[in-house]
Amino acid sequence: EAGVTQFPSHSVIEKGQTVTLRCDPISGHDNLYWYRRVMGKEIKFLLHFVKESKQDESGMPNNRFLAERTGGTYSTLKVQPAELEDSGVYFCASSQEWANTEAFFGQGTRLTVV
Amino acid sequence: AQSVAQPEDQVNVAEGNPLTVKCTYSVSGNPYLFWYVQYPNRGLQFLLKYITGDNLVKGSYGFEAEFNKSQTSFHLKKPSALVSDSALYFCAVRDTGTYKYIFGTGTRLKVLA
Repeated sequence: EAGVTQFPSHSVIEKGQTVTLRCDPISGHDNLYWYRRVMGKEIKFLLHFVKESKQDESGMPNNRFLAERTGGTYSTLKVQPAELEDSGVYFCASSQEWANTEAFFGQGTRLTVV
Repeated sequence: AQSVAQPEDQVNVAEGNPLTVKCTYSVSGNPYLFWYVQYPNRGLQFLLKYITGDNLVKGSYGFEAEFNKSQTSFHLKKPSALVSDSALYFCAVRDTGTYKYIFGTGTRLKVLA
């Protein structure tokens, strides 16, 4: 069974540019999450999809961040325009519907804004 | 508000010695607790979880964790450390309403040969 996959693994962009991160969850997992870790700090929740619907986007930092989940399958996270403070590692995770099941994480996308 | 604390940024241990990585939590209600590990250039891998039942939980790669309700702790342990255990370890509590994880800041474990 394929795990959660994220593309790209690394991205270096200039301030003001746009970047789109992609996540392919495990097949059959309705729950999809985005998290971010800024250097040395905790991994912070960004948002949660249940199928194609945004269940909770309370962690999205501002309106420069836009997440979508087409048809309840893969998800994209777009940052436009990128700022220096957006640098970090963006993780995607997916899980089945119950809180007592573990989420499976992708390898992350390391975003560097210069 | 729910929170997780990992008081040690780094833990060093000699190979073959027992290791402990500390985690304390603050939640309302019963906690769903998890440990994840991140090896270099890899994603987060699930190690173990506590949902209910036995306070001692066994997980992958010989790791175990002890849930202590009175001390609100969920420390990760292994009887005999391997150099290959060197990695970044994250403790997390899962919100049972929203399903999102609240993570600690991570502890870097270094096992010395």
